[in-house]
Amino acid sequence: DAKTTQPPSMDCAEGRAANLPCNHSTISGNEYVYWYRQIHSQGPQYIIHGLKNNETNEMASLIITEDRKSSTLILPHATLRDTAVYYCIVRVAGAAGNKLTFGGGTRVLVKP
Amino acid sequence: GAVVSQHPSRVICKSGTSVKIECRSLDFQATTMFWYRQFPKKSLMLMATSNEGSKATYEQGVEKDKFLINHASLTLSTLTVTSAHPEDSSFYICSAHGLAGAGLDTQYFGPGTRLTVL
Repeated sequence: DAKTTQPPSMDCAEGRAANLPCNHSTISGNEYVYWYRQIHSQGPQYIIHGLKNNETNEMASLIITEDRKSSTLILPHATLRDTAVYYCIVRVAGAAGNKLTFGGGTRVLVKP
Repeated sequence: GAVVSQHPSRVICKSGTSVKIECRSLDFQATTMFWYRQFPKKSLMLMATSNEGSKATYEQGVEKDKFLINHASLTLSTLTVTSAHPEDSSFYICSAHGLAGAGLDTQYFGPGTRLTVL
């Protein structure tokens, strides 16, 4: 699976949009971009994934650049409960045995 | 939907004893489950991949005789830490992979089990 690069940490203000970048310059054509987050002392939570089109669900939006070498996860209105480590992972979809390789992630602190 | 449970949530045991952790997919079937370990302030490290009805595949450096994995059904996998020692103290997390046809083509994680070996 392609490696990803994320900033180690970022702060954002409660109620504002949080934009989390991820670089994946070596992504292959059949690899999807997945985002998970892990709140302290809990298991990771799936947020969203996409291949090349922008995606939106009730939690977040995923913006993937046209060349697919980077993406941005957008939390539209950050709350204190969004404080967590956010992981950007690329993997081939469609095969249950395909592993998720977790990097360091971005530690997001939402401040009042 | 796509809920995964783990039991127990935390366990304290004496050195030399064995501990079993259960992972269940509550509302979906999972042919593949994964076990991870996480040390404080570190990222998740995959230990093994478990397929229903077959032997688990362990990652390099993970002792299969120490970390016994059984995936007896499409909703249950167990991890047994045998002869536990203090260095096995960690946060153990399982995940279950849903079915792509059901729109669940990703891993869903349990809440984790904190193991402390005295």
